[in-house]
Amino acid sequence: EDKVVQSPLSLVVHEGDTVTLNCSYEVTNFRSLLWYKQEKKAPTFLFMLTSSGIEKKSGRLSSILDKKELSSILNITATQTGDSAIYLCAVGNNDMRFGAGTRLTVKP
Amino acid sequence: DSGVTQTPKHLITATGQRVTLRCSPRSGDLSVYWYQQSLDQGLQFLIQYYNGEERAKGNILERFSAQQFPDLHSELNLSSLELGDSALYFCASSVAGGGGTDTQYFGPGTRLTVL
Repeated sequence: EDKVVQSPLSLVVHEGDTVTLNCSYEVTNFRSLLWYKQEKKAPTFLFMLTSSGIEKKSGRLSSILDKKELSSILNITATQTGDSAIYLCAVGNNDMRFGAGTRLTVKP
Repeated sequence: DSGVTQTPKHLITATGQRVTLRCSPRSGDLSVYWYQQSLDQGLQFLIQYYNGEERAKGNILERFSAQQFPDLHSELNLSSLELGDSALYFCASSVAGGGGTDTQYFGPGTRLTVL
């Protein structure tokens, strides 16, 4: 059965810290891995990764896919309180499977 | 604002009833996806429509059905509602039909409460 596992489930850090969120997967027909940020409302798109080893970067956020290890990491540097959210990883083809998410809390 | 609209924002109904949730995709997007998010199950993919045709099916119950109309808006019908159907229902849209390679933009969701 396809599955997507995110770790840690919950993380509390202080402003300025760097965090690494993990996503591992076992899915058939892998086409891409997507990262989303969900605050109180709908998930908002962060990154789409399809090729192994190519880092995608947006400001203080970056992500990379390792197809050999069937995993991806999302890095956030110099965290801010506004980064507090649930970070979701989704993998698959048309049938997207989501992980349970990592709840990140950034304290002032 | 993603450009995806969903109505209603909130819906409260009783067990055994039927409800219809509506979604309008972003202008130009041909695919619509429906998701259910509950506290214990996380975000679950239900179904995808592309240009009026069903493209992919996920964990959608037989009591649930969906369709996409010629103007590309979509409706999710939930019938014989149970307490466990209480959840946040998201609609997302993307330009093309490849759910895994297209960025999906999520609407604000419809919160369904079944009493």
